[in-house]
Amino acid sequence: ETAVFQTPNYHVTQVGNEVSFNCKQTLGHDTMYWYKQDSKKLLKIMFSYNNKQLIVNETVPRRFSPQSSDKAHLNLRIKSVEPEDSAVYLCASSRDWGGAAETLYFGSGTRLTVL
Amino acid sequence: GDSVTQTEGLVTLTEGLPVMLNCTYQTIYSNPFLFWYVQHLNESPRLLLKSFTDNKRTEHQGFHATLHKSSSSFHLQKSSAQLSDSALYYCALSNYNVLYFGSGTKLTVEP
Repeated sequence: ETAVFQTPNYHVTQVGNEVSFNCKQTLGHDTMYWYKQDSKKLLKIMFSYNNKQLIVNETVPRRFSPQSSDKAHLNLRIKSVEPEDSAVYLCASSRDWGGAAETLYFGSGTRLTVL
Repeated sequence: GDSVTQTEGLVTLTEGLPVMLNCTYQTIYSNPFLFWYVQHLNESPRLLLKSFTDNKRTEHQGFHATLHKSSSSFHLQKSSAQLSDSALYYCALSNYNVLYFGSGTKLTVEP
């Protein structure tokens, strides 16, 4: 049963363009995340938000910017995409932040291809 | 910093044989939380099992793992592999802020 919704499923664009991905969770969770899964299936945290506040910002290029309007939504904008940005971007949520045992619930992902 | 190591990138087994996927970790925290997530083809990762208790076996859906702090390990095991177990398995470590994933082990179970 899907409770973390991501749009679009796929996006193909050219180098230098701007793209935006959307994520919404209906679980009532307080914390949301963006993870990047590259072509080698490496899964790396990019950002974490708790109740609309940025909590974690890993070493991510400045062209990436997350945006959260409320705790149920977390979007990701990439300004001027580059070829190495081609990946699957996974949104996830968890009930709380700072709770080490929290389970992450992932969306189905947005596959970005940069030509 | 915190890290997770999964030594096998690919594991191929015959149906019915036991499964063991290795996971070791490094962390400064004395009470780490360890997880196994599974990702089937064309799906997103989902939790398989998790643990924070030293030397206690955790089981779910036929899989089990035991956190051993003395060896910083959290290996995933199953007594008898099934075709449906074919998937990508991630070991992950929580540092109380975020979840750090290992590089993943792709398990392929053949008839």
